[in-house]
Amino acid sequence: QQQVKQSPQSLIVQKGGISIINCAYENTAFDYFPWYQQFPGKGPALLIAIRPDVSEKKEGRFTISFNKSAKQFSLHIMDSQPGDSATYFCAASLSSNTGKLIFGQGTTLQVKP
Amino acid sequence: DTAVSQTPKYLVTQMGNDKSIKCEQNLGHDTMYWYKQDSKKFLKIMFSYNNKELIINETVPNRFSPKSPDKAHLNLHINSLELGDSAVYFCASSQTGTGTGNTIYFGEGSWLTVV
Repeated sequence: QQQVKQSPQSLIVQKGGISIINCAYENTAFDYFPWYQQFPGKGPALLIAIRPDVSEKKEGRFTISFNKSAKQFSLHIMDSQPGDSATYFCAASLSSNTGKLIFGQGTTLQVKP
Repeated sequence: DTAVSQTPKYLVTQMGNDKSIKCEQNLGHDTMYWYKQDSKKFLKIMFSYNNKELIINETVPNRFSPKSPDKAHLNLHINSLELGDSAVYFCASSQTGTGTGNTIYFGEGSWLTVV
């Protein structure tokens, strides 16, 4: 019930391409879905987040698509750049639970020049 | 200015030793966390403190003892270290009740290696 499943585990994309990472959750009570970006040797940093009352959120080249009925959400990175090469984590939480994030397994993205 | 800072960044120690990791945040947040990232990069919450009060304690061995002297500091003490404790430990913080969601700010991690 508390799991968040993320795929793929790794992804290689050419510069300028679209990177897509998918996540699925089980607990329908989750009401906050952030994506975190982690560079080697650094801590995760919030990239973009969505709540289940909207189906899509876009910030620059990053878009979250959310499908409440399917209990799935995905991150799309448009015009992928080498600087986007990092590990991406989806997560889910209850906003009533003071920030206990349930993380997916992570996706290592490599954007080739 | 580092928002969430933790020390040491690297720690190599022998099995059976006791070690501490310190964390400080200058964001004025009221909630602090310890997360553990294993060798497969999986992140999992260990503890959460809100205004110095323990509010989340996941199924962590009692060899791990967090201490929050004030809401800007959260330290992690580990007794009788085991090989399986080798991981990256992240301190983090957030502010409750801001209406912006649970934006959690992570430190850069403390890389613990038990030999």
